[in-house]
Amino acid sequence: GAVVSQHPSWVICKSGTSVKIECRSLDFQATTMFWYRQFPKQSLMLMATSNEGSKATYEQGVEKDKFLINHASLTLSTLTVTSAHPEDSSFYICSARASGRGEQYFGPGTRLTVT
Amino acid sequence: DAKTTQPTSMDCAEGRAANLPCNHSTISGNEYVYWYRQIHSQGPQYIIHGLKNNETNEMASLIITEDRKSSTLILPHATLRDTAVYYCIVRVLSTGTASKLTFGTGTRLQVTL
Repeated sequence: GAVVSQHPSWVICKSGTSVKIECRSLDFQATTMFWYRQFPKQSLMLMATSNEGSKATYEQGVEKDKFLINHASLTLSTLTVTSAHPEDSSFYICSARASGRGEQYFGPGTRLTVT
Repeated sequence: DAKTTQPTSMDCAEGRAANLPCNHSTISGNEYVYWYRQIHSQGPQYIIHGLKNNETNEMASLIITEDRKSSTLILPHATLRDTAVYYCIVRVLSTGTASKLTFGTGTRLQVTL
């Protein structure tokens, strides 16, 4: 139980284009989802927290107009990187927390490369 | 959430127990100790968590000191597949938006033959 999937697992896009990453909780309902970013040899950095049906809460220094988060259902959240640039190349990981519970479960991550 | 301190790296021989320490001297009474690990290029994997009693599951054991200021994660028989970065995280267990996992630098465990 408690499986979180991400799609795609890796993506290459050209500078200036937008890319959407999906995060799904497969066997539970996730009231809250989290998006993290991880650069090589660094730890995970929380980007934003989203509750189903509400606007996401972004961490300090994360541009909300660049990283669009939609949490439209209890099993799906999407992260759209708009006008991507090479410095946005990173490993993006989502996490979901089951309704009424405190544990967080993580997806396998999406590696984004912007050329 | 309270900050944690972990050694940067550790080595362990395969088949031996791996003991990973974590200091959390500013932990509050309602904060739990969580352990996650991240194998290269994968998402973090939950290992175990506890409040004040020692805990054991199929993956590991968690030993928390009586004053709760430190803990040790024990992998009883380490294998090469246990090579990963291990994160000790302290947080309040709640469903609120503010309760989130904040990752430090972790301990890079290298299991060798």
